[in-house]
Amino acid sequence: QQQVKQSPQSLIVQKGGISIINCAYENTAFDYFPWYQQFPGKGPALLIAIRPDVSEKKEGRFTISFNKSAKQFSLHIMDSQPGDSATYFCAASIDYGNKLVFGAGTILRVKS
Amino acid sequence: NAGVTQTPKFQVLKTGQSMTLQCAQDMNHEYMSWYRQDPGMGLRLIHYSVGAGITDQGEVPNGYNVSRSTTEDFPLRLLSAAPSQTSVYFCASSYLEILPNTGELFFGEGSRLTVL
Repeated sequence: QQQVKQSPQSLIVQKGGISIINCAYENTAFDYFPWYQQFPGKGPALLIAIRPDVSEKKEGRFTISFNKSAKQFSLHIMDSQPGDSATYFCAASIDYGNKLVFGAGTILRVKS
Repeated sequence: NAGVTQTPKFQVLKTGQSMTLQCAQDMNHEYMSWYRQDPGMGLRLIHYSVGAGITDQGEVPNGYNVSRSTTEDFPLRLLSAAPSQTSVYFCASSYLEILPNTGELFFGEGSRLTVL
């Protein structure tokens, strides 16, 4: 049973559109929520992360929205580009720790 | 800096064989870990270490052994390979202390293992 549930499994978005990936968790002890991006044949790399004391964090075209009461967080990619085509993983940990629990992943394809 | 280096990149084993996946990092990270990645399952933690001589089990440790004799190296041993261990394995490292604006796990490029 996955502690972090991620949806959708795959997503196709037109160039310039908004990509939205959602994650939900049950363990209220989680206090660190990063998103990782993985290109084919490569290891995941940190994209953006949020802590539960804020509801939103934005870095360039990437935004995390966090809803503590609903135990949900999401990644929004604005003005999606073909270069954003990758697998995205949400994750969570306790005590801002290194032991990350990952979601199942979302394969994003941005069509030009 | 090479970052996190994993070898081999590809390996085919027969059921019952043993092997070691190597992982080395040159960032002086205290924390090192092994994950396996399977379709629809995300990344699952196998074993982790918070320093030389200290290891602990993750979510899916059965069938795997680890040791940490140096800060730099964290090998993963498959004792008797089974088809269920066919997967892509990732080693990751980070500083032990999560600073306010970091907390980043650095991943290697993965080792693809097939067990026949």
